[in-house]
Amino acid sequence: EPEVTQTPSHQVTQMGQEVILRCVPISNHLYFYWYRQILGQKVEFLVSFYNNEISEKSEIFDDQFSVERPDGSNFTLKIRSTKLEDSAMYFCASRPLAGVDEQFFGPGTRLTVL
Amino acid sequence: AQTVTQSQPEMSVQEAETVTLSCTYDTSESNYYLFWYKQPPSRQMILVIRQEAYKQQNATENRFSVNFQKAAKSFSLKISDSQLGDTAMYFCAFMRRGTSYGKLTFGQGTILTVHP
Repeated sequence: EPEVTQTPSHQVTQMGQEVILRCVPISNHLYFYWYRQILGQKVEFLVSFYNNEISEKSEIFDDQFSVERPDGSNFTLKIRSTKLEDSAMYFCASRPLAGVDEQFFGPGTRLTVL
Repeated sequence: AQTVTQSQPEMSVQEAETVTLSCTYDTSESNYYLFWYKQPPSRQMILVIRQEAYKQQNATENRFSVNFQKAAKSFSLKISDSQLGDTAMYFCAFMRRGTSYGKLTFGQGTILTVHP
C-alpha cells in the first residue's frame, strides 16, 4: 500500500542553523501539507501546497519557513535559522483530490534544536 | 476560525470494555468533515473514522463509532471491546468542505490507556 515517507526520522541541529525536512508524498496525490506537534501539545497546521504554490499558511509559518516541490516527488520544508522553539515533530501529509477528504500522514521527523 | 476542544486529557479503560472520548468544536461553517485520528507511541497519525456534517447518520468503523450532534457541535468517539492496541493519543479534527486546500484543525488530544 502506498505511503507517505519522511526523512530523516530525527534531526538534531544547532540554533541558527538551516534545516531541510524531506517528504515523499503518495505519487498521485495533488495536495500537500506540513503540520507541527510540539511535545505534549496538539498538532498544528503550518502550510498547504497545491499546484506548485502555497495555498494557505498559518501564523506560525513566518519568513523563516519555506516549502517547495523541487522535482515532482519530494516535498520539502526548510527552516532558515532554527530557534529553540522550533523543536517539535513535523508531519507531512498528502491528499489525492479535492473531493477526497482523507489526508495521509507520514511518520514524522523529530527536530531537536540545541 | 474553527476551534476544536477535547476536554479529557487522559482516559483509561479495561480491556474489552467500552470508552467514550469527547470532542466539541466551534464553527460558522455548515459544510465540513470531522475526523478522529489515532497517534500510537510510534507517533504515526492514523485515521480512525470520519463524519460528513451533512450526513445525519453516525459513522461506524468496526469497533469505532461516533455520536455526532451537529446542533450541539459535539463529536464523540466510542470504542467498543477495547484492545491493548487501542492505547494511543486520540485527536479530534475539523476540516471545511468545499475548499480545495483541506487544512485540518486539531484538538488537544486525549491519551487513552487500555489496561489488561
